[in-house]
Amino acid sequence: DAGVIQSPRHEVTEMGQEVTLRCKPISGHDYLFWYRQTMMRGLELLIYFNNNVPIDDSGMPEDRFSAKMPNASFSTLKIQPSEPRDSAVYFCASRLPTGELFFGEGSRLTVL
Amino acid sequence: QKEVEQDPGPLSVPEGAIVSLNCTYSNSAFQYFMWYRQYSRKGPELLMYTYSSGNKEDGRFTAQVDKSSKYISLFIRDSQPSDSATYLCAILSGTYKYIFGTGTRLKVLA
Repeated sequence: DAGVIQSPRHEVTEMGQEVTLRCKPISGHDYLFWYRQTMMRGLELLIYFNNNVPIDDSGMPEDRFSAKMPNASFSTLKIQPSEPRDSAVYFCASRLPTGELFFGEGSRLTVL
Repeated sequence: QKEVEQDPGPLSVPEGAIVSLNCTYSNSAFQYFMWYRQYSRKGPELLMYTYSSGNKEDGRFTAQVDKSSKYISLFIRDSQPSDSATYLCAILSGTYKYIFGTGTRLKVLA
């Protein structure tokens, strides 16, 4: 299995631009998570889906952030408009029904 | 009090040493424990997971859980320079809430 696949790996954009991060979870996994990692705060849960349905988005920092999962094999995290404080590494992770959580390689976002 | 506490290090050891990485947690109801390894500019990689107290071994790695003390450990035997990474403990609270430690940076010197 290829694991959790994320794109783009790196994104540099200017403040105010829209950013879309993409994720393909591992087939057969029932949960999908979006995390953000910074030096100051470590890994923060933004939102998670169960069987494509958003369950808890209380970690999404502001209305500028939105996430979708239109089918079992694809999810997006969108930031519009982006701000410099959104600069971080964004991870997608999917989970086996037994609880083991697997991460993608991350999308490193820099907002200038 | 944080739900999970982990010494951030950095921890430097010579090649071949036994490494002990530790986390403490606050809630005795936690049941599922994991260790992740994260190389620089990579995603966290699941190393070990366990539901129960006691030891679980996988090659050079041993995960230990002491529920009475609310203490989890990861031991690395015969450490190699390739083990240099950040190690994160993680605990599953309930159905979906994974609580991560802040990570311990390990450097194994050749």
